[in-house]
Amino acid sequence: RKEVEQDPGPFNVPEGATVAFNCTYSNSASQSFFWYRQDCRKEPKLLMSVYSSGNEDGRFTAQLNRASQYISLLIRDSKLSDSATYLCVVSPSGSQGNLIFGKGTKLSVKP
Amino acid sequence: SAVISQKPSRDICQRGTSLTIQCQVDSQVTMMFWYRQQPGQSLTLIATANQGSEATYESGFVIDKFPISRPNLTFSTLTVSNMSPEDSSIYLCSVAGDSSGNTIYFGEGSWLTVV
Repeated sequence: RKEVEQDPGPFNVPEGATVAFNCTYSNSASQSFFWYRQDCRKEPKLLMSVYSSGNEDGRFTAQLNRASQYISLLIRDSKLSDSATYLCVVSPSGSQGNLIFGKGTKLSVKP
Repeated sequence: SAVISQKPSRDICQRGTSLTIQCQVDSQVTMMFWYRQQPGQSLTLIATANQGSEATYESGFVIDKFPISRPNLTFSTLTVSNMSPEDSSIYLCSVAGDSSGNTIYFGEGSWLTVV
C-alpha cells in the first residue's frame, strides 16, 4: 500500500461546480496533514493545513478523519483559476521536513 | 514565507556528466531540504541539508550520487552526479516555514533533462 494515495483524476468540472478530493494515508502515527497546490510546471505551494476539527478557508474546506486515515478537500464555486494539481501531504511523527506527498489529483475547471 | 531562488531553472545535460544546482534563501534558515519530482510521480525527499555537518540522506539516495553542500544558513547546493536519463526530473530546494519543520516552502525548481 502506498503511503499517501489520491484519486488521480483528472476531474473536469464546469465553473461554479463543487468538487471533492479524497486522500488516504497508511501511517497511523502521522501527525500533520496538508493540501498543496501545484500549477503546471511550477513548484508546489501550500494551500492549507488540515486539522482534526476540520477547517475552512473561503471556498476551500479540509477535513481529517484519523480513525479512517482519510483526508478530504472540498472546493465550492470552482473558478477557472482553481485548475491545478492538488497534492495531499502527510508528515510522519517526529520527521521534520520529511513530508510524504501523494501523486496529486488534477483538476480542470472549464468555462 | 522565505524567498527561495534556484539556479539553473532548467538544463539539458549529457549522460555521464554532473550538474550542480544552487539554492539561495533570503533569510537565515536552520533546515533546508532537497526534493525530487520525477515525471508523473510524487515529490520525494532526497536529503536534509544541515549547516556545518553532513547532509542526512533518505533511503534510496546516497552522497556519492547526490553530494550536498551547506556552507551557511542561506545557501545550499545539490549535485546530480554521473547523470542518466532516469535522473531527468524537477529538483526542488525547500525550507521550513515554521519551527516544527512541517510547513515547507519550495523554490521554483530546477528542471533537468538528461539525454
